[in-house]
Amino acid sequence: GENVEQHPSTLSVQEGDSAVIKCTYSDSASNYFPWYKQELGKRPQLIIDIRSNVGEKKDQRIAVTLNKTAKHFSLHITETQPEDSAVYFCAASHPGNQFYFGTGTSLTVIP
Amino acid sequence: GAVVSQHPSWVICKSGTSVKIECRSLDFQATTMFWYRQFPKQSLMLMATSNEGSKATYEQGVEKDKFLINHASLTLSTLTVTSAHPEDSSFYICSPIWGQSDEQYFGPGTRLTVT
Repeated sequence: GENVEQHPSTLSVQEGDSAVIKCTYSDSASNYFPWYKQELGKRPQLIIDIRSNVGEKKDQRIAVTLNKTAKHFSLHITETQPEDSAVYFCAASHPGNQFYFGTGTSLTVIP
Repeated sequence: GAVVSQHPSWVICKSGTSVKIECRSLDFQATTMFWYRQFPKQSLMLMATSNEGSKATYEQGVEKDKFLINHASLTLSTLTVTSAHPEDSSFYICSPIWGQSDEQYFGPGTRLTVT
């Protein structure tokens, strides 16, 4: 099955700086890579996703890059704000199948 | 995004009792339902996968007789934790999908505390 690794497990940045979270996956059949933000006690919320036919996708301050050859993908958050503080999970899947989640990154944005 | 409801949102029960958690997909038909469990400060772990009208498939280490899953309709799936114990205390989250869709939406979760 798929194995998704995520780094770092914790990340602290100053407000306004950028944050980068990286994930690797093992199954070359995986072709969908979402990123979720989870606040304490709440469900994961999809913030951005990328499919294997695309190398990069951006949505305002959030961007995701995918390197299929190396089997890794990254989340980039620019101009971080305190409300970005949360746990972020990456995941990998292919259509109709379960998601394999990374272990999560606890991001703290220091005002 | 899809609308998924889960009930109850939180429950406290005594050890040895059973708890039923309902998950409803309100605006689409869920042909497949994933049930996840999340312990504090950990990632989501898949417990089981169910297809409408079929028996659920459980992940290794998850007791099928303890975690009963029913997916009798395309809009409702239930997870019953039987004879709950304190170690079953966790955040349970359902996630329905339709067909071969690769987008996955999560229910709001049920916080179970077993005393």
